[in-house]
Amino acid sequence: EAEVAQSPRYKITEKSQAVAFWCDPISGHATLYWYRQILGQGPELLVQFQDESVVDDSQLPKDRFSAERLKGVDSTLKIQPAELGDSAMYLCASSYVNTGSPLHFGNGTRLTVT
Amino acid sequence: DQQVKQNSPSLSVQEGRISILNCDYTNSMFDYFLWYKKYPAEGPTFLISISSIKDKNEDGRFTVFLNKSAKHLSLHIVPSQPGDSAVYFCAASGAGTYKYIFGTGTRLKVLA
Repeated sequence: EAEVAQSPRYKITEKSQAVAFWCDPISGHATLYWYRQILGQGPELLVQFQDESVVDDSQLPKDRFSAERLKGVDSTLKIQPAELGDSAMYLCASSYVNTGSPLHFGNGTRLTVT
Repeated sequence: DQQVKQNSPSLSVQEGRISILNCDYTNSMFDYFLWYKKYPAEGPTFLISISSIKDKNEDGRFTVFLNKSAKHLSLHIVPSQPGDSAVYFCAASGAGTYKYIFGTGTRLKVLA
């Protein structure tokens, strides 16, 4: 079964440094999502893409976070500068564009900011 | 404002018995609901979904019930197995947005 690929699996960085996460969705999935999950909470949507266009980034802290999906396939999420409160699991998901199509998640990147 | 709520942080069930996980939502525009299972250090895995035109959907040991008037859905697992021990999230979307809002999760422990 096709999978959503994410890298790296783990990242430790010092505060004020820059970090970047990469996601390759399932082939043919036009919609791509970045979620953040803090321990003990549910996934929180950061940004949603339809092909290369941003559909929703209302919860993305745009002063430090940026996301792109230049060719409408893989995507990068960047944080600069990282803060202690950014420590979390960053999950990428993808889906087809139609009602009734569930999200398929990657295994995430666990970020620790020291 | 938490639009999707899972009010039970944890649940313990004996192997072979039924597990019932609950989820409440506040937005009447939600029309598609999903359940996910998550093991530690892995991403959530899709289990089962239901649209608002139905009130029940079954897939093997998993059944989801939707009560639109109460804005409530539940996931039934029967019989429960030790491998079902995980965190379960419900999620909802609506109005053609394909934007999914997740609950806070319920940790299920199935005791052998």
